[in-house]
Amino acid sequence: NAGVTQTPKFRVLKTGQSMTLLCAQDMNHEYMYWYRQDPGMGLRLIHYSVGEGTTAKGEVPDGYNVSRLKKQNFLLGLESAAPSQTSVYFCASSDNADRADTGELFFGEGSRLTVL
Amino acid sequence: DAKTTQPPSMDCAEGRAANLPCNHSTISGNEYVYWYRQIHSQGPQYIIHGLKNNETNEMASLIITEDRKSSTLILPHATLRDTAVYYCIVRVPNNAGNMLTFGGGTRLMVKP
Repeated sequence: NAGVTQTPKFRVLKTGQSMTLLCAQDMNHEYMYWYRQDPGMGLRLIHYSVGEGTTAKGEVPDGYNVSRLKKQNFLLGLESAAPSQTSVYFCASSDNADRADTGELFFGEGSRLTVL
Repeated sequence: DAKTTQPPSMDCAEGRAANLPCNHSTISGNEYVYWYRQIHSQGPQYIIHGLKNNETNEMASLIITEDRKSSTLILPHATLRDTAVYYCIVRVPNNAGNMLTFGGGTRLMVKP
């Protein structure tokens, strides 16, 4: 049981380059989230999804796009990377609030992105 | 949304109980209190949650005051592996399901 898997785990980009982070979960969860964590800080929500085909903005969405074409996958895209996007990105998933209202989020191990 | 306030850091001796406080004075009646921890650079890990009553599981105990304005996470016998950042979070009840907002947390250092 893999849980939540993020790829890649490390990436270095140049300013202006684009890339996509992939999050995959095998728990049949409805909800998925992308967070970023800067050094010494808590986690800030970028975008989230409450189901296949749906996405919504979180606290810090600017500069990012997301897609949820399949229930098990949640993609985070950077169209034109900036040094301010250097961070560790965490994906998380959780079950439907109506079915299993524990509120527990399951996190991936993180993707460390550096933009030069 | 209810905000939480936690001390930035705490120390605890190995084998002793670690008591981590959290203030959430603006919590509303249908909001839950959740605790997560993050060890080094790993993804956060769920510990426990509660609404009104005290809760206990294999990892910790959660004590919520009667007015629900504060809570305490208790690690009964702290080990070196419990050194981590502990986040106290109040659930935002909206259409986003279980979306949680993480603040700065408390950095717990367990010392030998």
